[in-house]
Amino acid sequence: GENVEQHPSTLSVQEGDSAVIKCTYSDSASNYFPWYKQELGKGPQLIIDIRSNVGEKKDQRIAVTLNKTAKHFSLHITETQPEDSAVYFCAASEGGGADGLTFGKGTHLIIQP
Amino acid sequence: NAGVTQTPKFQVLKTGQSMTLQCAQDMNHEYMSWYRQDPGMGLRLIHYSVGAGITDQGEVPNGYNVSRSTTEDFPLRLLSAAPSQTSVYFCASSTDQSGGELFFGEGSRLTVL
Repeated sequence: GENVEQHPSTLSVQEGDSAVIKCTYSDSASNYFPWYKQELGKGPQLIIDIRSNVGEKKDQRIAVTLNKTAKHFSLHITETQPEDSAVYFCAASEGGGADGLTFGKGTHLIIQP
Repeated sequence: NAGVTQTPKFQVLKTGQSMTLQCAQDMNHEYMSWYRQDPGMGLRLIHYSVGAGITDQGEVPNGYNVSRSTTEDFPLRLLSAAPSQTSVYFCASSTDQSGGELFFGEGSRLTVL
């Protein structure tokens, strides 16, 4: 089955700086890569996703890049703000959607004032 | 718009007791699933359902039972609770198993003594 590795487990950045979280996956058949944000005491929420026919996708301050050859994808957050502090999960799926999603172990992002 | 509702939010059980975690969604989603979240382990799929009357096992199904008699409800049953089942449980739903965003509930924290 699919295996998703996520790094780092904890990331601390100064407010206003950029943050990058990286994930690798093992199954070359995976074609859907979402990122979820989990705030304290809440359930995860989708923030951005990318499919295997696209190399990069942006939404305001967040972007995701995908390298199919190397089987890795990354989340980039620019101009970080206090409300970006949360746990972020990457995931991969062969089915293209919710079914069969395998999640990474999560990254705790801390924004230092 | 309630989305995905989980009850109870907190529960303490003794080893060997049984209980049911309730999950209801009001978005008419066909796909529903249960995850458990443990420190450093990310989100692991327990069971899922692609529609009323259809359920299947995920990555960590042992010790859990599910049923799907209606589109709205997807309860998770612990038949004989064990300390290893101490965790935070999340129910999620999606409009489509292929290409659909997962909508999570706020979680149920279970402690088994």
